[in-house]
Amino acid sequence: GAVVSQHPSWVICKSGTSVKIECRSLDFQATTMFWYRQFPKQSLMLMATSNEGSKATYEQGVEKDKFLINHASLTLSTLTVTSAHPEDSSFYICSARIETHLLGQYFGPGTRLTVT
Amino acid sequence: QKEVEQDPGPLSVPEGAIVSLNCTYSNSAFQYFMWYRQYSRKGPELLMYTYSSGNKEDGRFTAQVDKSSKYISLFIRDSQPSDSATYLCAMSLYGNKLVFGAGTILRVKS
Repeated sequence: GAVVSQHPSWVICKSGTSVKIECRSLDFQATTMFWYRQFPKQSLMLMATSNEGSKATYEQGVEKDKFLINHASLTLSTLTVTSAHPEDSSFYICSARIETHLLGQYFGPGTRLTVT
Repeated sequence: QKEVEQDPGPLSVPEGAIVSLNCTYSNSAFQYFMWYRQYSRKGPELLMYTYSSGNKEDGRFTAQVDKSSKYISLFIRDSQPSDSATYLCAMSLYGNKLVFGAGTILRVKS
């Protein structure tokens, strides 16, 4: 089946620093990738839709200057959390979509970010 | 009001029980309905999906959609301890952007 990886799986950073999270589709090309945030015992909330070669589309309430998304290739999208604060601590999950399969959205294992 | 409502549980059942998980939603335009399973600290895994109303069965799992009531269900027969996980319902208008429920924690005790 389609495999999506994320790196790192867990990261701790100090308040005010930036951290980059990578999302890769390992065995398929994904023109569209999605970034979600999940707080404990809460639902996945879509942050942005990332399209290869174009600017990401952010959901309402998500600061695009704080959460920088770059979809550099058909297999890689990155999320950079800039000037991180403790309230940014969360579980960040990406998914990649296979265009030929309408519902083929495959999720990565997630990255747990802790900002101290 | 949230677009998708899902009881967070936890729901504890003995091994072999039939499990019923449910979601209600407010947007009547949703056409695609999905159930994901998420183990602790892992990404969601697609279990089943249904387009529009009706039932769909896959092994021990049955998904039901009642659009008139805006209510979807996932049934798990002969539940196993390995089924212990968080079950998320998700919905979509066109199959692209997913709106998730909060997830129901299921614990199957042996």
